[in-house]
Amino acid sequence: SQQGEEDPQALSIQEGENATMNCSYKTSINNLQWYRQNSGRGLVHLILIRSNEREKHSGRLRVTLDTSKKSSSLLITASRAADTASYFCAGWGSNYKLTFGKGTLLTVNP
Amino acid sequence: EAQVTQNPRYLITVTGKKLTVTCSQNMNHEYMSWYRQDPGLGLRQIYYSMNVEVTDKGDVPEGYKVSRKEKRNFPLILESPSPNQTSLYFCASRIGTSGGRETQYFGPGTRLLVL
Repeated sequence: SQQGEEDPQALSIQEGENATMNCSYKTSINNLQWYRQNSGRGLVHLILIRSNEREKHSGRLRVTLDTSKKSSSLLITASRAADTASYFCAGWGSNYKLTFGKGTLLTVNP
Repeated sequence: EAQVTQNPRYLITVTGKKLTVTCSQNMNHEYMSWYRQDPGLGLRQIYYSMNVEVTDKGDVPEGYKVSRKEKRNFPLILESPSPNQTSLYFCASRIGTSGGRETQYFGPGTRLLVL
């Protein structure tokens, strides 16, 4: 079963706009991670937020975590065409497994 | 360069013909795992290994085998491939198993087509 469920499934924006993707998860997690995948390629780790953290920044990325609602959001500011990719959230549970959601396909139009 | 490598990158085979996809990491990571990625289903874990000679089933282990005889290698074995195993496969590794705080590093993927 999927740990994370991303929302929306697909998002299309113009270059320079902000993109927000949400993720909900089902069971308790130690941390939540966001990954990016360019078409047909491997996954690249973007950012990790621990269960005792509420917000984290890395460059143009901002991640929030609300453990009471079992949800997280990824904000990409000032998007670029090169940000076009699929974005996955993944929860690391107590069973040593990293379980992924189905992903959000982000398209940034130049 | 720290990396996870997989071979082959692309493979076309026929039903029932045994195959092995190799995975190797040069980061001395304890934890390794295999995922398959299918449209609309995201990534699903097949098997994982917390250390040498320690392996365990993920969410979709049926039809697959793994072994972990050395720390750096974690091959995925399909004894009798079937068309429903056509997928994109990723190997991943991370430092260890304590605390779940470390990130995973992914290989480039192996695209398998079973006819």
